[in-house]
Amino acid sequence: AQSVTQLDSQVPVFEEAPVELRCNYSSSVSVYLFWYVQYPNQGLQLLLKYLSGSTLVESINGFEAEFNKSQTSFHLRKPSVHISDTAEYFCAVSRMDSSYKLIFGSGTRLLVRP
Amino acid sequence: GAVVSQHPSRVICKSGTSVKIECRSLDFQATTMFWYRQFPKQSLMLMATSNEGSKATYEQGVEKDKFLINHASLTLSTLTVTSAHPEDSSFYICSAREILGWSSYNEQFFGPGTRLTVL
Repeated sequence: AQSVTQLDSQVPVFEEAPVELRCNYSSSVSVYLFWYVQYPNQGLQLLLKYLSGSTLVESINGFEAEFNKSQTSFHLRKPSVHISDTAEYFCAVSRMDSSYKLIFGSGTRLLVRP
Repeated sequence: GAVVSQHPSRVICKSGTSVKIECRSLDFQATTMFWYRQFPKQSLMLMATSNEGSKATYEQGVEKDKFLINHASLTLSTLTVTSAHPEDSSFYICSAREILGWSSYNEQFFGPGTRLTVL
């Protein structure tokens, strides 16, 4: 079975500061890795994904995540956050088989303060 | 990008009644749709996988007779909460998976969610 751990339930940070949201996973088989963002009372939006190839993946709004197989981690980073980045962030994994079910972590609330 | 809609966005009902939630893929065909449930300040929990033209596959602990899923077409799946009780109050989110024959992975696109409140 797969599991995803997001140790930080909430991360407060000042605007323009860097941030890292941690994600560790456990799986006996190869998985795809994802970060989703959820704004209040909305569904999920894909932020970025790792399927294969380069272990560093980037999003269009400045976030990046690095897949570290030895540490089974997929931490999300941004060098300078904005107030608008305040949201809930979910890390997820999906087995590389026909089910494609997503297993989500518990989420991390990023709170950006002015 | 691919768009998934849900209707209604918010519903309030009395205990004992049934509520139907629709999930539509607006600009693509989805042979597989997923239904999730999210409690306040918690993560998404997969309830069931819905495949067009066949019975849904429910996750362990989810009552299939209470949460009826129908995937009648490649663009529509419905979730019916039967004989709703206050503990069924939650945020229900669907996702749809676009099938691209050339891709090694077919992304899930999420709907905006439906807030169900059972009085």
